[in-house]
Amino acid sequence: GAGVSQTPSNKVTEKGKYVELRCDPISGHTALYWYRQSLGQGPEFLIYFQGTGAADDSGLPNDRFFAVRPEGSVSTLKIQRTERGDSAVYLCASRGRSSEQYFGPGTRLTVT
Amino acid sequence: GNSVTQMEGPVTLSEEAFLTINCTYTATGYPSLFWYVQYPGEGLQLLLKATKADDKGSNKGFEATYRKETTSFHLEKGSVQVSDSAVYFCALSGAAGNKLTFGGGTRVLVKP
Repeated sequence: GAGVSQTPSNKVTEKGKYVELRCDPISGHTALYWYRQSLGQGPEFLIYFQGTGAADDSGLPNDRFFAVRPEGSVSTLKIQRTERGDSAVYLCASRGRSSEQYFGPGTRLTVT
Repeated sequence: GNSVTQMEGPVTLSEEAFLTINCTYTATGYPSLFWYVQYPGEGLQLLLKATKADDKGSNKGFEATYRKETTSFHLEKGSVQVSDSAVYFCALSGAAGNKLTFGGGTRVLVKP
């Protein structure tokens, strides 16, 4: 079946602009996670949704970052007033009944 | 808070050599432990997991044993192949299905 998909695969934006990153989880998975992976590092947790609600947003670095999942399926990560330090690969993962998280291919964000 | 420390790479070895990647963790309670792998140009994939002390996870010839007394989850493979060249991440989850905390990753390069 289809895995986790993320769009766009690459996004280049100018400093100060607004961006939206989309995640389509595996059908039926109720849990959805966003992580950020900087070059040469492991992924860092940003936010976790159970259904439509954010169960844990403790990893969001500041109030420029926001994520939604209005219908409990697709999620959008929104970044306002982007900074060069936001450049990274943004990973989405979803989970069904097991403890395993399935990761998407990521969106590479470059802020110039 | 939770943390994962794994040996830095790159690790370069010849085909059929023995591979060990050390991983230690700090966590409260009884975390689940994971090894994820990222092959060149691909997304993160779960390689193996262990959910309680003394459990051994295994997959594709790789093994790791959950050692609570040493807070370790070292990854081993007896005879590596060129196709095992990838970046390996050790990770923990503080509770079933919750956010993952990753180590920094270890790049492994297997030469023919």
